[in-house]
Amino acid sequence: QQPVQSPQAVILREGEDAVINCSSSKALYSVHWYRQKHGEAPVFLMILLKGGEQKGHDKISASFNEKKQQSSLYLTASQLSYSGTYFCGTNTNAGKSTFGDGTTLTVKP
Amino acid sequence: GAGVSQSPSNKVTEKGKDVELRCDPISGHTALYWYRQSLGQGLEFLIYFQGNSAPDKSGLPSDRFSAERTGGSVSTLTIQRTQQEDSAVYLCASSLAEGARYGYTFGSGTRLTVV
Repeated sequence: QQPVQSPQAVILREGEDAVINCSSSKALYSVHWYRQKHGEAPVFLMILLKGGEQKGHDKISASFNEKKQQSSLYLTASQLSYSGTYFCGTNTNAGKSTFGDGTTLTVKP
Repeated sequence: GAGVSQSPSNKVTEKGKDVELRCDPISGHTALYWYRQSLGQGLEFLIYFQGNSAPDKSGLPSDRFSAERTGGSVSTLTIQRTQQEDSAVYLCASSLAEGARYGYTFGSGTRLTVV
């Protein structure tokens, strides 16, 4: 079953923070996050495995709450280059990933 | 190769014709995935390969769609008797072992337009 992402869209000014959420109705093995710019392929940001991880990546970090079957992506002090559509992919096992519908992030000067 | 390579990058075909889409994964990546993305939409799973076998074909929309992978490397996705609803960007991704542990590297996709 497809994970649910929220919000669907967010508009920020440079330097502001954003949080994107990803929720599943099933127990998760892993969650991974991607950013896709218009007309380009999705680019891998990070993966979190069950066990309740938190990871950081410059000013982009994520958490994974295994009990709640939720992951959140945190973007701090946003830059213009952060604009794009963010997808979470979830795995209930080692097979395929199921992706959310995406969250469109627009960062304005 | 350095990344996942897909060809052609664009394909326009007439309704009813067959098309073949090719994916060349990163060398050494045993897992290969096909997804498709309609305009402004999310990623729809089609099929997953581990080596040359396809343990999960559950996303193939109809029997007009088939895929194979040879030599644990190149994969082709074939769509027979194309329909207008097949128009989409077809994305291939590869992963070291299980994508569930390592994440995916996507190719740039093939934009298929059925006219």
